[in-house]
Amino acid sequence: DGGITQSPKYLFRKEGQNVTLSCEQNLNHDAMYWYRQDPGQGLRLIYYSQIVNDFQKGDIAEGYSVSREKKESFPLTVTSAQKNPTAFYLCASSIGTVANEQFFGPGTRLTVL
Amino acid sequence: GENVEQHPSTLSVQEGDSAVIKCTYSDSASNYFPWYKQELGKRPQLIIDIRSNVGEKKDQRIAVTLNKTAKHFSLHITETQPEDSAVYFCAASIQGGSYIPTFGRGTSLIVHP
Repeated sequence: DGGITQSPKYLFRKEGQNVTLSCEQNLNHDAMYWYRQDPGQGLRLIYYSQIVNDFQKGDIAEGYSVSREKKESFPLTVTSAQKNPTAFYLCASSIGTVANEQFFGPGTRLTVL
Repeated sequence: GENVEQHPSTLSVQEGDSAVIKCTYSDSASNYFPWYKQELGKRPQLIIDIRSNVGEKKDQRIAVTLNKTAKHFSLHITETQPEDSAVYFCAASIQGGSYIPTFGRGTSLIVHP
């Protein structure tokens, strides 16, 4: 499974700590997305970016932050302000603003201890 | 904004039976409708999609139908096999402008041998 990668696969965090999830793609895609997946909740959009140095809040952005300094990279920081951060986090990319297939990374499972 | 409802949340069938998953959407401007399959512990992957200029699309045992008047679309899987067991997500989006798909909550399909 190449194309879009996430690391680490599993992450444990103590309450009060910030943690950064990595997302890298080599598909030359302009658009990148972060989703949170909880059982029975589907895929909820946290942040998205359509171009380098620009990003927009999704439906559940509170307690999260992102950056897009390079086309290939879109890291997500889960801050201590996120009240319930334990979840499965998925990164995705797509060609751009044309409605088309999204390619997902393998995900990072974050557990707050 | 767009709202996508997906039913049923769980679907249990015997091997060889057909399975149907239905989604409704709220924004009549939506014109791209992908379906993703997520096997346990893996990333979602596109299995089929349909655009608003067609009413039906088939790919081997999988088909998707779209009724724009009623604002609903369905995934049909015929001759189900145990390897079809997974969570299936529908999505709806508007082509052009910002491509931000709205996902349904997912259907857990269980195919019993």
